[in-house]
Amino acid sequence: DSGVTQTPKHLITATGQRVTLRCSPRSGDLSVYWYQQSLDQGLQFLIQYYNGEERAKGNILERFSAQQFPDLHSELNLSSLELGDSALYFCASSVTGVNTEAFFGQGTRLTVV
Amino acid sequence: DQQVKQNSPSLSVQEGRISILNCDYTNSMFDYFLWYKKYPAEGPTFLISISSIKDKNEDGRFTVFLNKSAKHLSLHIVPSQPGDSAVYFCAANRGAGGTSYGKLTFGQGTILTVHP
Repeated sequence: DSGVTQTPKHLITATGQRVTLRCSPRSGDLSVYWYQQSLDQGLQFLIQYYNGEERAKGNILERFSAQQFPDLHSELNLSSLELGDSALYFCASSVTGVNTEAFFGQGTRLTVV
Repeated sequence: DQQVKQNSPSLSVQEGRISILNCDYTNSMFDYFLWYKKYPAEGPTFLISISSIKDKNEDGRFTVFLNKSAKHLSLHIVPSQPGDSAVYFCAANRGAGGTSYGKLTFGQGTILTVHP
């Protein structure tokens, strides 16, 4: 158990809909990351927050947004969903966000039908 | 733009032998490297890391070697065990500065199978 909690574990939704994925980081970790893993793809970095502020941004679509709340949990919002958004979405956390190992949650498997 | 590459999609070894997983990178700004192991339907699990100021780091059966001039790192597992069978990802971090600060860039992964 990495200490990072992601909910829900599975999500099935229709095209055009909006979903929210939630992540609780390890106790004491200030940095949260979101990654996407599509079928046969590696882990693609989406976005990083550090202590409530956006720190780094990857290839995150404009239809996607995220935030980190004062209690340090984070949410990833995916809207106007398309079939191609079906993927595993991982959240990770680390203490500082720089030159330190990140610990991953179990992921949310999103299926868009 | 694949800045971190694992050119071997899969590797098969016998139990008790050495497993060597390789990783190449192109961005000379990377200064911290990590290896993760991933089982199906689970999140990646951190294994071992190395800073660019070192060329070797050991943790039990796992050793990571870094060759900065060649922009190459490798993970050695000795002795390999059937429970090591998983997908192994290498990742790189740039460190402070720049817009990619904090981001881990992952390779595509290598599937390791250890046969009893």
